[in-house]
Amino acid sequence: GNSVTQMEGPVTLSEEAFLTINCTYTATGYPSLFWYVQYPGEGLQLLLKATKADDKGSNKGFEATYRKETTSFHLEKGSVQVSDSAVYFCALSGQYGNKLVFGAGTILRVKS
Amino acid sequence: DAGVTQSPTHLIKTRGQQVTLRCSPKSGHDTVSWYQQALGQGPQFIFQYYEEEERQRGNFPDRFSGHQFPNYSSELNVNALLLGDSALYLCASSLLTGGSDTEAFFGQGTRLTVV
Repeated sequence: GNSVTQMEGPVTLSEEAFLTINCTYTATGYPSLFWYVQYPGEGLQLLLKATKADDKGSNKGFEATYRKETTSFHLEKGSVQVSDSAVYFCALSGQYGNKLVFGAGTILRVKS
Repeated sequence: DAGVTQSPTHLIKTRGQQVTLRCSPKSGHDTVSWYQQALGQGPQFIFQYYEEEERQRGNFPDRFSGHQFPNYSSELNVNALLLGDSALYLCASSLLTGGSDTEAFFGQGTRLTVV
């Protein structure tokens, strides 16, 4: 079945450092790929998405590119802020519906 | 415009009891999905409701059941609670068009603790 694997955390960075959170997936067909963010005590918010190979999703300085050849969707940000501290989830949905399959999540801590 | 709202925000139940969680979708949405998020884990899909019927179901036992009402709101029921059912339960709503859903919006979740 479909699955998502993301790098384990926590990831601790200083403010203005470069961020990469790795995500790889296994899926049949042509899934859509997502990054969700969860702030403490809150639900999930969609951060960015990509629906086909080579698409780049971007939002709030975060970017991720759908790489079908490496089945990856790594999240990057050039300069993190303390306010980016949260849990980040990589997810995919199958071709015929919006059932989301999530990775285990990566905790990001940014120090000032 | 209210987003996805869930109630209650927290509750504590005893093993063997039954619980009902509620969800009101975002305005204009017609599909509701439920997820279970155990501590330190990613959300796991329970089921999805559309037009008052269960459209998809994840790998959860029959103790987990649901309902969708004509106004698109939904309930998640869990019978014979186990300690392992303690988790954050998330509701997500979306609009089903042409057989494929639009973006899912999540509520804040209901934190269920089973003692």
